[in-house]
Amino acid sequence: GAGVSQSPSNKVTEKGKDVELRCDPISGHTALYWYRQSLGQGLEFLIYFQGNSAPDKSGLPSDRFSAERTGGSVSTLTIQRTQQEDSAVYLCASSLGPLRVIQYFGAGTRLSVL
Amino acid sequence: ELKVEQNPLFLSMQEGKNYTIYCNYSTTSDRLYWYRQDPGKSLESLFVLLSNGAVKQEGRLMASLDTKARLSTLHITAAVHDLSATYFCAVDAAGGATNKLIFGTGTLLAVQP
Repeated sequence: GAGVSQSPSNKVTEKGKDVELRCDPISGHTALYWYRQSLGQGLEFLIYFQGNSAPDKSGLPSDRFSAERTGGSVSTLTIQRTQQEDSAVYLCASSLGPLRVIQYFGAGTRLSVL
Repeated sequence: ELKVEQNPLFLSMQEGKNYTIYCNYSTTSDRLYWYRQDPGKSLESLFVLLSNGAVKQEGRLMASLDTKARLSTLHITAAVHDLSATYFCAVDAAGGATNKLIFGTGTLLAVQP
């Protein structure tokens, strides 16, 4: 498709389990971002990848969160030992590059931790 | 720490009326974004404002930026029901040096027939 694709769209997990969320950016976009949207915290930046540069991980809330981007394209956000406060919608966005200002967002993954 | 505040948080208005949503931010930035989010949907880019005094218009929406006042406004003219959504402003966290966006709290707009 032409847009940012995220999977799964919904994920229900038990507290303590690990989850992986996937993002497939728009073809040709070198920059990729993860954000989290929750009722209590609003929209928060998590991590930013730009080409082959080291990612900006400054928004990751704890060391249980990690992300990788393979081959400069698909990204996976992993949350280990999930907690109830991790419940949120995780949004991925991509842009043509750091100087290309518009970020295009995917539909998100709604994560529910029981 | 950069903070972005929007007001009002909730706006109920009648069709045909005009109103303005305000976005204040706490540190210098010359790049400000407006996004729209429909319930259960993702964010749609509306405007990117890149300089002081920038004004952009699309249909019934007009956005402006005053970097000296650290203020952006989103003006709605003659509202229609289709504009009902949540509107977010966002500012680049490092004043234009990165693409890390800090979002406002959002304004939930409900346009009543």
